[in-house]
Amino acid sequence: EAGVTQFPSHSVIEKGQTVTLRCDPISGHDNLYWYRRVMGKEIKFLLHFVKESKQDESGMPNNRFLAERTGGTYSTLKVQPAELEDSGVYFCASSQLGQGIDTQYFGPGTRLTVL
Amino acid sequence: QKEVEQNSGPLSVPEGAIASLNCTYSDRVSQSFFWYRQYSGKSPELIMSIYSNGDKEDGRFTAQLNKASQYVSLLIRDSQPSDSATYLCGGGYQKVTFGTGTKLQVIP
Repeated sequence: EAGVTQFPSHSVIEKGQTVTLRCDPISGHDNLYWYRRVMGKEIKFLLHFVKESKQDESGMPNNRFLAERTGGTYSTLKVQPAELEDSGVYFCASSQLGQGIDTQYFGPGTRLTVL
Repeated sequence: QKEVEQNSGPLSVPEGAIASLNCTYSDRVSQSFFWYRQYSGKSPELIMSIYSNGDKEDGRFTAQLNKASQYVSLLIRDSQPSDSATYLCGGGYQKVTFGTGTKLQVIP
């Protein structure tokens, strides 16, 4: 079974540009999460989808970040316009719905560098 | 106070020894707790999950949860050089709050 995949693995952009990150969860996983790790800090929650609906977006830093999950399969996270402080590693995780402990499986992450 | 706190390390142990990793959490974190292992540049990999007080064992790994004292620990028996990684402690249901991680070095 394929794990969580993310694309691209690395992205280097200039301040003010737009970047779109993609996450493909494990097949059959209705829960999809986005997290971010800024250098030297802990991994922080951004938002949570259940199927195509946003369940919790309390961690989204500001309105420059837009996440979508059309059709309840893959998800995209768009940053527009990017700022220097957006640099970090963006992780996606997925889990099955209604399985007691919510065991989340992480993807390899996208390393975003904003210059 | 951070919601989940870990000593950043590095924690160095000789090969074959027991590595003990600790984590404390605040009242704002509850329910389930997780230990993830992360090799440099790789994704966090789930090692153990625990939600009941007491011990949970899986192979060389034992997770311990003490809700009264608000701490979670991970013991790694017979430590191997391949266990050298950063161990992340996380807690919560769905929205997981992580600590900064403890770097473990197992010395051959």
